[in-house]
This record gives sequence, C-alpha cells and structure tokens, in this order.
Amino acid sequence: ETGVTQTPRHLVMGMTNKKSLKCEQHLGHNAMYWYKQSAKKPLELMFVYSLEERVENNSVPSRFSPECPNSSHLFLHLHTLQPEDSALYLCASSQDRTGGVTDTQYFGPGTRLTVL
Amino acid sequence: AQSVTQLGSHVSVSEGALVLLRCNYSSSVPPYLFWYVQYPNQGLQLLLKYTTGATLVKGINGFEAEFKKSETSFHLTKPSAHMSDAAEYFCAVSAPNFGNEKLTFGTGTRLTIIP
Repeated sequence: ETGVTQTPRHLVMGMTNKKSLKCEQHLGHNAMYWYKQSAKKPLELMFVYSLEERVENNSVPSRFSPECPNSSHLFLHLHTLQPEDSALYLCASSQDRTGGVTDTQYFGPGTRLTVL
Repeated sequence: AQSVTQLGSHVSVSEGALVLLRCNYSSSVPPYLFWYVQYPNQGLQLLLKYTTGATLVKGINGFEAEFKKSETSFHLTKPSAHMSDAAEYFCAVSAPNFGNEKLTFGTGTRLTIIP
C-alpha cells in the first residue's frame, strides 16, 4: 500500500460507545495530523504529532484521545461522543512539521463518522 | 495571523469551458499557498503549491494558479473543464517555516461540470 490509509472508512456509533480510528502512512514521514471536516466549515486541525510526540492540541474535547505509537501509525480513540461530532475525520502526514518548502501534507481518504 | 477566503461556495461551468476558482488570502509574512482537491468520498489531494520563485504554478490535471501579491490572490484556473473535474476544491495558506500546524484552509468551492 502507498500513501496514507485510514480505517474504517465509515463508522456509526452511539453516544456511549468506545471506538478507534486508525491511520497509517507508508511515506516515511515524521509528522502526522488529525483533522475534522464538517459541512460548510474549514478543516479544523485537531492534533499534530512529530516523531511520535504530540506538539499541538487545538483545544479538542477530552472525548477525543490521540495515540501515536510510532511514526507510521496514528490512532484517534473516541468515547462518549456527541451528535455534533459527526464529521469526516482526515489523517495527514508530512516529512516534518516545520512548514518548509518541501514539507507538504498528504491526506488519507478519511473516516466518515456518524454519532447517533 | 492568516486567513483564506474562497469566493463562491458553488461554481458551475460547462464541459470545455474555462474553470476559474477564486482564492484570496491574508498573511503577515510571505505565504506558501496551496490548492487541494477532494473527490467524493475521498481525502484531499494536492493539486499545486506556490512557495517561492515563478508566480505561475502548474499542477496536476491541467490546473494552474497564479500568485498575485498585489491582489493577495491565488486563483485556480483550467482552460477546458472536463467532467472528471467535478469535486470540491480547497485553497490553503501557511506561514513558511512556522510549522505545518499553521496551515489554514478555506471553506471550499464545489465545482459542478455541466455536460
């Protein structure tokens, strides 16, 4: 597999469930990101990891818990979500997080999450 | 601080016609600028980016964009629309070397191609 993959592609969960989203990048990158994409709103950056260390948490509710066990894998653990958390969750990776000229983010296909 | 404004949340063009998607930005430093495309049920794919140098940037699928500093614009164009261009397009701006977490996206423009 190449690029950035995400599983599952679709997830329906109740408000009391616990589930996890998985992201894997096959690009040898050092930085990984979680974004939330809601209708009519710009992409919202949730978390940034660089070399498996979390470097950014944009005031995300604690019901979202990220985990980065190594530079190729990123998880988003979900528990007691609300209906307004329904969205497309996108994972991305980049060589580094410096934002330099070659430091482009590459996105996975996303997980469409529906919270009932 | 930086921001992106995409004029027109929906744009429709006929097949074979010119595609023009507008993007204006604000940035306190010389920016890097990006266009991403999102096809239905897929993630974002980089179309093109401007960092430094030539202001006319060519991307994939026949798209190009021109960085105009005086107008703070980075409009996306394609001379002849194809049915496969139907998708949502996102303009984004970042502050060079300030970290990728500073990448700011617009709200997107949905492009519809009329047969």
